[in-house]
Amino acid sequence: GALVYQYPRRTICKSGTSMRMECQAVGFQATSVAWYRQSPQKTFELIALSTVNSAIKYEQNFTQEKFPISHPNLSFSSMTVLNAYLEDRGLYLCGARPGANSDYTFGSGTRLLVI
Amino acid sequence: AQSVTQPDARVTVSEGASLQLRCKYSYSGTPYLFWYVQYPRQGLQLLLKYYSGDPVVQGVNGFEAEFIKSNSSFHLRKASVHWSDSAVYFCAVSATTNAYKVIFGKGTHLHVLP
Repeated sequence: GALVYQYPRRTICKSGTSMRMECQAVGFQATSVAWYRQSPQKTFELIALSTVNSAIKYEQNFTQEKFPISHPNLSFSSMTVLNAYLEDRGLYLCGARPGANSDYTFGSGTRLLVI
Repeated sequence: AQSVTQPDARVTVSEGASLQLRCKYSYSGTPYLFWYVQYPRQGLQLLLKYYSGDPVVQGVNGFEAEFIKSNSSFHLRKASVHWSDSAVYFCAVSATTNAYKVIFGKGTHLHVLP
């Protein structure tokens, strides 16, 4: 079946440092990868959508300078949270799908704690 | 803009009881609607989805949801819950013409008493 793995499962970083998280698709081609963040007491917000061979599309309030994303092939994507601060804490979820008419398969998320 | 409201942050029911988790959406066109479940320490799993056709859609583990356009609702139901249904349930919507973006509600934490 289609699975998405995210690692690390949880991580702690010091305020002002950076943290990279990874997303691995297994059993299908991840043509599109969507990165979401769930801040405490909030819902999942879309950060950006990455489609292989296309420009990465960032949502309002999220920028490439803060959340650079790499999507080098059809099974892997990574996102870095640069210069993390308290407001960046939360659960970062990766969803991948093979095409525009397919449903997303989501990973378990990377929980980021900033101290 | 699309949005999803799940008015109940937490619902507690006894095992064997019926369940309804409420979801209302805001979207001017015809939406794609989803219910996802998140078990502890796991990712989001798709329970069911509505694209078109029969407004009552069946999902896994006995769950169903009904799309009521006049009410902008997509409530999730189950006739008899099991303790293993305890999890967080997310309602979500995406636009048919811009389907890359899935908008999630805040989630409803379901606690089933054994």
